[in-house]
Amino acid sequence: NAGVTQTPKFQVLKTGQSMTLQCAQDMNHNSMYWYRQDPGMGLRLIYYSASEGTTDKGEVPNGYNVSRLNKREFSLRLESAAPSQTSVYFCASSPGADEKLFFGSGTQLSVL
Amino acid sequence: QKEVEQDPGPLSVPEGAIVSLNCTYSNSAFQYFMWYRQYSRKGPELLMYTYSSGNKEDGRFTAQVDKSSKYISLFIRDSQPSDSATYLCAMSLFNYGQNFVFGPGTRLSVLP
Repeated sequence: NAGVTQTPKFQVLKTGQSMTLQCAQDMNHNSMYWYRQDPGMGLRLIYYSASEGTTDKGEVPNGYNVSRLNKREFSLRLESAAPSQTSVYFCASSPGADEKLFFGSGTQLSVL
Repeated sequence: QKEVEQDPGPLSVPEGAIVSLNCTYSNSAFQYFMWYRQYSRKGPELLMYTYSSGNKEDGRFTAQVDKSSKYISLFIRDSQPSDSATYLCAMSLFNYGQNFVFGPGTRLSVLP
């Protein structure tokens, strides 16, 4: 049972490059989320998708876009990477209106 | 003032010790309180969930909420080296994942 799978695990970008972080869950969850985690700060919500076909901004959406491709997959795109986007990115899912978030193992992104 | 504050540690204790981890918060409207455990290079996993005030026990773990003081605690009895991880508190007004506010985490080391 894979749970929440994120790819890639590590990535180094140059300023201005673009990339897409992939996330897939096999738990038939309705809701999916993208967070970033920075030292000394709590997890901060970038975007979320309450259900297939909907996406909404979280606390720190600037510089990011998302796509809920289907019920399983939720991708995060950086169109023009900036050093301020150096962080660890986590995808999560939840069954719906539920307190339990299930997280992937994260993507460590460095923007030079 | 940050919405949720947590001592980052690191906190080092000997095996078998009782560990107390704490968070303070500023928003008195929070109703849902959670503790997540995060091992190095892994995503957070839900440990404990409580609603409103009071205590909740699960094996060696006890979660305590004091809404009058805006203070929550996680106690770990008979701590084990496998408990070495970062512990994140999280809280929310509503029972929806997109509303969660996370603390920055406390790094715990349990020494054999």
